[in-house]
Amino acid sequence: NAGVTQTPKFQVLKTGQSMTLQCAQDMNHEYMSWYRQDPGMGLRLIHYSVGAGITDQGEVPNGYNVSRSTTEDFPLRLLSAAPSQTSVYFCASSYSQGVDEKLFFGSGTQLSVL
Amino acid sequence: ILNVEQSPQSLHVQEGDSTNFTCSFPSSNFYALHWYRWETAKSPEALFVMTLNGDEKKKGRISATLNTKEGYSYLYIKGSQPEDSATYLCAFWNNAGNMLTFGGGTRLMVKP
Repeated sequence: NAGVTQTPKFQVLKTGQSMTLQCAQDMNHEYMSWYRQDPGMGLRLIHYSVGAGITDQGEVPNGYNVSRSTTEDFPLRLLSAAPSQTSVYFCASSYSQGVDEKLFFGSGTQLSVL
Repeated sequence: ILNVEQSPQSLHVQEGDSTNFTCSFPSSNFYALHWYRWETAKSPEALFVMTLNGDEKKKGRISATLNTKEGYSYLYIKGSQPEDSATYLCAFWNNAGNMLTFGGGTRLMVKP
């Protein structure tokens, strides 16, 4: 099994550019989420989805957009990149939204916005 | 925004030492507490998911305890090895059950 696959691994953007971070899982997981990792701040939830067609905001949603048209895919869109969005982004999924369901993480995307 | 605190932020130990670190979380409306292990250049991987007060989990040399009434969990590593070097993250499910909030992590470095 591939698990959770994120692309790209690295990306450099200029301020104002838009881009999409891809996330796909092949475990038939209902719950998918996007986190950003900043030094000293832990992982912060951006958006999450409990199933196809359903998305909701996390702790830091501003400047990001998501959609969930299929169970497998959960892309994260940066609408107009800003230097404050320089971070490492992780996609994670779990079988369901159950509180005792462990998350499976992708390998991360390191994004720099100049 | 829930406050999940981990201490210490970093820890250097010698190979063979036993060590432990703490995760503190809001004690009200507890749902679950997760521990993840995150090696450099890899993805975080789940160690334990704990849901009941008094829970104790063990995986090899690593174990964890949970006190939901006072809002803390301890992670113990017995006889640390260099391959235990990683950042250990705890995460707390809030009372709405829709958001897993992570602490800042404890970075463990084990010297051979």
